[in-house]
Amino acid sequence: EAEVAQSPRYKITEKSQAVAFWCDPISGHATLYWYRQILGQGPELLVQFQDESVVDDSQLPKDRFSAERLKGVDSTLKIQPAELGDSAMYLCASSLEARARQTQYFGPGTRLLVL
Amino acid sequence: GESVGLHLPTLSVQEGDNSIINCAYSNSASDYFIWYKQESGKGPQFIIDIRSNMDKRQGQRVTVLLNKTVKHLSLQIAATQPGDSAVYFCAERGSGNQFYFGTGTSLTVIP
Repeated sequence: EAEVAQSPRYKITEKSQAVAFWCDPISGHATLYWYRQILGQGPELLVQFQDESVVDDSQLPKDRFSAERLKGVDSTLKIQPAELGDSAMYLCASSLEARARQTQYFGPGTRLLVL
Repeated sequence: GESVGLHLPTLSVQEGDNSIINCAYSNSASDYFIWYKQESGKGPQFIIDIRSNMDKRQGQRVTVLLNKTVKHLSLQIAATQPGDSAVYFCAERGSGNQFYFGTGTSLTVIP
């Protein structure tokens, strides 16, 4: 069964350092999402891509976060510099298209701890 | 933005009993809803979905009910098993094709 791949699974870093997360969506999925999930809460959308284009990054803290999907396949989410409050699970999801009834499938997530 | 909330943060049920997890949503324009199961340290796993033109959909041991009048969604799990212990989230698709998630309900199945 095809799955969304993410790496690394865990990342520990010190504040002010740069971190990067990678996501490989299910093959053929045009839409890719990055979410942040704080412990005990539901996922919150950071950025949504349709192919290589950003369609929604309204909740992305652009002073420190950036995301790219250059070839419309895999994607990288970067934080620079990391802050203590960035400690969370970062989830990637993909769907065939961003239309009604297009189910999102999630990857295992990257758990980030900022010290 | 949209608001999706769950009525109960925790739920404990005996193994073999039926479980009902509730969810309220605020955007009457939402047209698609998904229930996810999330086990500790893992990403959310799709369980079942429903479109707004339906009021009930059944899967294997799970049923989702949608009441658009009161903007309420529920997930029913039949014959709950220990492997069903997890956090359950409902998500609604808003007008901008984004999904909005509730806080989650932690289900504990007592053997």
